[in-house]
Amino acid sequence: KQEVTQIPAALSVPEGENLVLNCSFTDSAIYNLQWFRQDPGKGLTSLLLIQSSQREQTSGRLNASLDKSSGRSTLYIAASQPGDSATYLCAVKVIFGNEKLTFGTGTRLTIIP
Amino acid sequence: ETGVTQSPTHLIKTRGQQVTLRCSSQSGHNTVSWYQQALGQGPQFIFQYYREEENGRGNFPPRFSGLQFPNYSSELNVNALELDDSALYLCASTSRDTYEQYFGPGTRLTVT
Repeated sequence: KQEVTQIPAALSVPEGENLVLNCSFTDSAIYNLQWFRQDPGKGLTSLLLIQSSQREQTSGRLNASLDKSSGRSTLYIAASQPGDSATYLCAVKVIFGNEKLTFGTGTRLTIIP
Repeated sequence: ETGVTQSPTHLIKTRGQQVTLRCSSQSGHNTVSWYQQALGQGPQFIFQYYREEENGRGNFPPRFSGLQFPNYSSELNVNALELDDSALYLCASTSRDTYEQYFGPGTRLTVT
C-alpha cells in the first residue's frame, strides 16, 4: 500500500528566504508525482507535475525534484513571499490509466513579512 | 481551457439524508475523479469515471455513487449521510495530453 509522508507538518520562515518542502513515498513504482497548493477552505491548485522518467521540473520560483529510488521529492521555493503562505500537498499516481492520487497530509507554510 | 467547477459551494444536511454534488470538468478531459478531504488531512480517493463508467474505486462504501455524463459533467451521490461524511469534496479532471489533474474549488458538506 502506497503511503505518502510530508515533513514538517508546519513551517514558518521570514519573507525572502529560500525554503524546501519534503515528500516521501513508500512504493517507488510510481507513474508521476504532483505538487499542489491549497489555500484555507479552497480547492487544489496544481503547481508542478513530474513524470517518473524526469528528475525535476521548474516553474518560476518553484523547482520540484524527484528521486524514485529513494522515494523522495522536494519542492524548492526561492525568494519566498507572503502570498506563498498556504498548505502544500504532494501526491503520487501509481497506475497508468487509474487516476487515483495518493496524497500526503501537507505542509502548512507561513511566510512572515 | 475552462476550469473545473463545482456546485454548490456549501451544503448542510441532516444525518440520514441524501445529497448530490455536481462537477463540470475541463473541456476535453474525459476522466473525472472524486476525493473526500477531512479537516487537516490530505484528500482521499473515492472513485473515478471514464467514458461514463466507474473504473476505479477507493475504500468507500456503496452508499457513495456517481454518474458521468456525455458532456463530461459528473455527480457524486451520497446516501444515508453520516456525521463523518462532513468534509470538503473535490472533483478533478485529467488532461489527456499531460495526465495532470486539475481540481475544482470543492463543495463543503456539513452533516448535522
